Amino acid sequence: KAGVTQTPRYLIKTRGQQVTLSCSPISGHRSVSWYQQTPGQGLQFLFEYFSETQRNKGNFPGRFSGRQFSNSRSEMNVSTLELGDSALYLCASSPSTDFPYEQYFGPGTRLTVT
Amino acid sequence: AQSVTQLGSHVSVSEGALVLLRCNYSSSVPPYLFWYVQYPNQGLQLLLKYTSAATLVKGINGFEAEFKKSETSFHLTKPSAHMSDAAEYFCAVSSPVGNNRLAFGKGNQVVVIP
Repeated sequence: KAGVTQTPRYLIKTRGQQVTLSCSPISGHRSVSWYQQTPGQGLQFLFEYFSETQRNKGNFPGRFSGRQFSNSRSEMNVSTLELGDSALYLCASSPSTDFPYEQYFGPGTRLTVT
Repeated sequence: AQSVTQLGSHVSVSEGALVLLRCNYSSSVPPYLFWYVQYPNQGLQLLLKYTSAATLVKGINGFEAEFKKSETSFHLTKPSAHMSDAAEYFCAVSSPVGNNRLAFGKGNQVVVIP
């Protein structure tokens, strides 16, 4: 099976712009989660989607949003970019939303905001 | 909510020496525990997982971890470090309660000295 794919792998944006990142989960996986990874804060949970519905959300401002399509592919959007949004954004997929929530990660999108 | 503590952000180990990364967890119910590895510019790869079966868990690349309930620990070890083990390692705890259902530690950056 193909793994989790994320596009683009690298992105450079300017403050105030918006950005959309894409994630395709492993075939058959219906749950997609997004994480932000920075040197200072480590891995922080953004949100989780299952069957096109947001099931959980982390402590991020409303500028961060996401959605999931009927084929389980997911996108996340960040509006009005700030310098502090520079990070590696990781997507992870799971076969279900049931415990133990084993997740499979994609390679990430490296976002740089200048 | 569940949480994980990993002490020592950077760990240096000589090639051929024992690798020991410590992980202590907090969870109100019996957890599932994971170790992930992240190589530069890549996503997280699952090394091993504890799912309430055997307390000594063997993973990929010669790593293993032992679940000790009395010490609330899940330390990762490898008898003999290899140069290819240089990476960042994350411990994560999963619990059926709580909003952030997979919580990560801050990570350990492992440097292998020739």
